Amino acid sequence: AQSVTQLGSHVSVSEGALVLLRCNYSSSVPPYLFWYVQYPNQGLQLLLKYTSAATLVKGINGFEAEFKKSETSFHLTKPSAHMSDAAEYFCAVTAKNNDMRFGAGTRLTVKP
Amino acid sequence: KAGVTQTPRYLIKTRGQQVTLSCSPISGHRSVSWYQQTPGQGLQFLFEYFSETQRNKGNFPGRFSGRQFSNSRSEMNVSTLELGDSALYLCASSLGGVGNTEAFFGQGTRLTVV
Repeated sequence: AQSVTQLGSHVSVSEGALVLLRCNYSSSVPPYLFWYVQYPNQGLQLLLKYTSAATLVKGINGFEAEFKKSETSFHLTKPSAHMSDAAEYFCAVTAKNNDMRFGAGTRLTVKP
Repeated sequence: KAGVTQTPRYLIKTRGQQVTLSCSPISGHRSVSWYQQTPGQGLQFLFEYFSETQRNKGNFPGRFSGRQFSNSRSEMNVSTLELGDSALYLCASSLGGVGNTEAFFGQGTRLTVV
């Protein structure tokens, strides 16, 4: 069975600083990996996904993530944080059976 | 095109009652998945339907059930409600399945059990 672990339930950065949200996965088969963002009282919006085509994946709003098989990681980064990036971020993993498992989430706060 | 629509947005029920939530996927999408989101347990997978068949199921008791209609609309039913069922219930639709195609989420139904 697959699972993900997000390190840090809360991350706080200053506006303009680097954003780094950590995700490690466990999967017995080649995984599909995702990052989603959730704003208050909203559903989840897909930021980016890894489906084995390229290890560096670029997503919306300037976010990107790198798949590192040796480290079983799929960390999310953004070079310069914006106030509008404040939200909760979820890493998710699935395999061929389409059963998607989410991490516990990381709440990102952006300070002015 | 229209997004995923979940109705109702908010619901208050009493312990012991039952509830039905509805999800209308994006036109052309055949897969609908349901998730329960709570502060303590996070996002948990309930089940997935594809072309009217339940294809995957999470670890929830039998009080949680669902179905999908021929137009891909899906309903989720919870019987004999418990206080712990209070949560945001999210549905996601995709073309062929959540795993390898993009999943689009609705805004959710917030269920409060009193």
